[in-house]
Amino acid sequence: AQSVSQHNHHVILSEAASLELGCNYSYGGTVNLFWYVQYPGQHLQLLLKYFSGDPLVKGIKGFEAEFIKSKFSFNLRKPSVQWSDTAEYFCALNYGGATNKLIFGTGTLLAVQP
Amino acid sequence: NAGVMQNPRHLVRRRGQEARLRCSPMKGHSHVYWYRQLPEEGLKFMVYLQKENIIDESGMPKERFSAEFPKEGPSILRIQQVVRGDSAAYFCASSPASGRATGIQYFGAGTRLSVL
Repeated sequence: AQSVSQHNHHVILSEAASLELGCNYSYGGTVNLFWYVQYPGQHLQLLLKYFSGDPLVKGIKGFEAEFIKSKFSFNLRKPSVQWSDTAEYFCALNYGGATNKLIFGTGTLLAVQP
Repeated sequence: NAGVMQNPRHLVRRRGQEARLRCSPMKGHSHVYWYRQLPEEGLKFMVYLQKENIIDESGMPKERFSAEFPKEGPSILRIQQVVRGDSAAYFCASSPASGRATGIQYFGAGTRLSVL
């Protein structure tokens, strides 16, 4: 069965530190990959997506992610975090076909200390 | 441009009552998805609907849960005879279609259901 794993459940960083959140998936076919962010009290927002092409994708707010097919990974990165990046981050995939359902990881709660 | 609207934001029910959760998709979107997030877990897909049709309900519990997306009005997720285990956050998402670019899902703020 298809699944998404996020290994870091809680991450605490100081402002200006670099961020990398891990995401691995299991599915043998073509996938579309997403990172969503949920700020406290708000709805999930799309940070970035990968469909095909350049495996390094850039999203909003200075985030980027790299798709490494051989490692089944799609890690999220940001060179310098800010206090306002405190949120929960979800990695997700779908694989097309008749259903467009998203399969989510369990999320990573990021706390950035000023 | 209003986003995906869910109401109520918080819903409290006693065991055995019915819960109705509403979702109005973004303007121009005809595809709706429901997800459930249990405490300490990620979002789990429940059901995917287009207007008047259920496309994929593989994530819906077989009993007590139903969903609809009528021609007019919001999508409704209905839970009959709620139990404590139904306590969760229920998220709705919508997309204009189901293709790669047009299938990107936009989420509502969720309904937090508490069953006493």
